[in-house]
Amino acid sequence: NAGVTQTPKFRILKIGQSMTLQCTQDMNHNYMYWYRQDPGMGLKLIYYSVGAGITDKGEVPNGYNVSRSTTEDFPLRLELAAPSQTSVYFCASSYDLGGSPLHFGNGTRLTVT
Amino acid sequence: GQQLNQSPQSMFIQEGEDVSMNCTSSSIFNTWLWYKQDPGEGPVLLIALYKAGELTSNGRLTAQFGITRKDSFLNISASIPSDVGIYFCAGGNYGGATNKLIFGTGTLLAVQP
Repeated sequence: NAGVTQTPKFRILKIGQSMTLQCTQDMNHNYMYWYRQDPGMGLKLIYYSVGAGITDKGEVPNGYNVSRSTTEDFPLRLELAAPSQTSVYFCASSYDLGGSPLHFGNGTRLTVT
Repeated sequence: GQQLNQSPQSMFIQEGEDVSMNCTSSSIFNTWLWYKQDPGEGPVLLIALYKAGELTSNGRLTAQFGITRKDSFLNISASIPSDVGIYFCAGGNYGGATNKLIFGTGTLLAVQP
């Protein structure tokens, strides 16, 4: 049982490039999330999904897009990378609503130069 | 965006010492979660609390759900070097319309052997 798997682990982008961060979970969770973690700032929600075909904005969605075509996969897309998007990105999933514990992937460290 | 006030920001202690950290919020929650993040990995759930006044232990860790529902505490007894990491609190409302946990900014714990 792999849980939540993120790829790649590291990536360096030039300003203006695009990329997709992959996330897949094998726990049959309906709810999936993307967070970014900046030093000393905790975790900020970018986008979330309550099921296949349904996505919604979180706290910091600008510059990102998501899709949820299957229960298992929730990719995060950066269209025009900017230095402000340098961060560590975490995908997570949960079974239920509200305070149901999140299961996190191991993160993708992205640097935009 | 809303974040929880987590303190202290960092702690540098000797092996064997006890540790206390807490989170406070201006909002009421019906769920408090405590996570630990090891370097280069995603946060892992330590303890989940679902009832005001609840006191729950997980080995050397003990967490409490404050009676006012606006705060929570985590204690680690007899710290060991592998306790090193960042500890996050998160507040939520289980069964609420959306599963948007609010995370604290983290407490960095360093343990000197």
